[in-house]
Amino acid sequence: GQQLNQSPQSMFIQEGEDVSMNCTSSSIFNTWLWYKQDPGEGPVLLIALYKAGELTSNGRLTAQFGITRKDSFLNISASIPSDVGIYFCAGPRAGNTGKLIFGQGTTLQVKP
Amino acid sequence: DTAVSQTPKYLVTQMGNDKSIKCEQNLGHDTMYWYKQDSKKFLKIMFSYNNKELIINETVPNRFSPKSPDKAHLNLHINSLELGDSAVYFCASSQSDRDSYGYTFGSGTRLTVV
Repeated sequence: GQQLNQSPQSMFIQEGEDVSMNCTSSSIFNTWLWYKQDPGEGPVLLIALYKAGELTSNGRLTAQFGITRKDSFLNISASIPSDVGIYFCAGPRAGNTGKLIFGQGTTLQVKP
Repeated sequence: DTAVSQTPKYLVTQMGNDKSIKCEQNLGHDTMYWYKQDSKKFLKIMFSYNNKELIINETVPNRFSPKSPDKAHLNLHINSLELGDSAVYFCASSQSDRDSYGYTFGSGTRLTVV
């Protein structure tokens, strides 16, 4: 079945550093979504991408929809302590756009 | 106003017991979901309801029975709880079952079976 593979699995960085994480699949996705999960909370949508090649920003976050439609990346610039959490990529499963499958997540820790 | 609310937040129970988790959304969405997040943080869909009708059942054991009395509520009842059921269960909703805009999640119910 369709799978999303995220890397790296975890990151430990210094405050102020830039962060990059990506998500790949062997299948084509028509939508890529990036979520963030804070400790003890549910995932919250950060950025949604709908078109191959699309580059979208949300504050210090930038995400791109890969040209092949099989990958996406998320960058965080000038990280701050509240960026700590788990970042998930997600995409609608083939055949029914409403059902999301998720990557394994990238856990980000930021040292002040 | 909380968009998707789940109760309880924490649930500790013994093996063999039956328990329920409740979920309500006030977003006017047509579709609701239950996801399970395991100890490795992997999120996997369990069920999906659209306008009170079951549309996804992802080979979840029969001990798990979702119930949707109306489109704003989706409850999860679990019979004969097992140790392996320990996880965080998330309720979510979306505008429709064709919605590519993503879900709104509740804050989760941490179930611990001892």
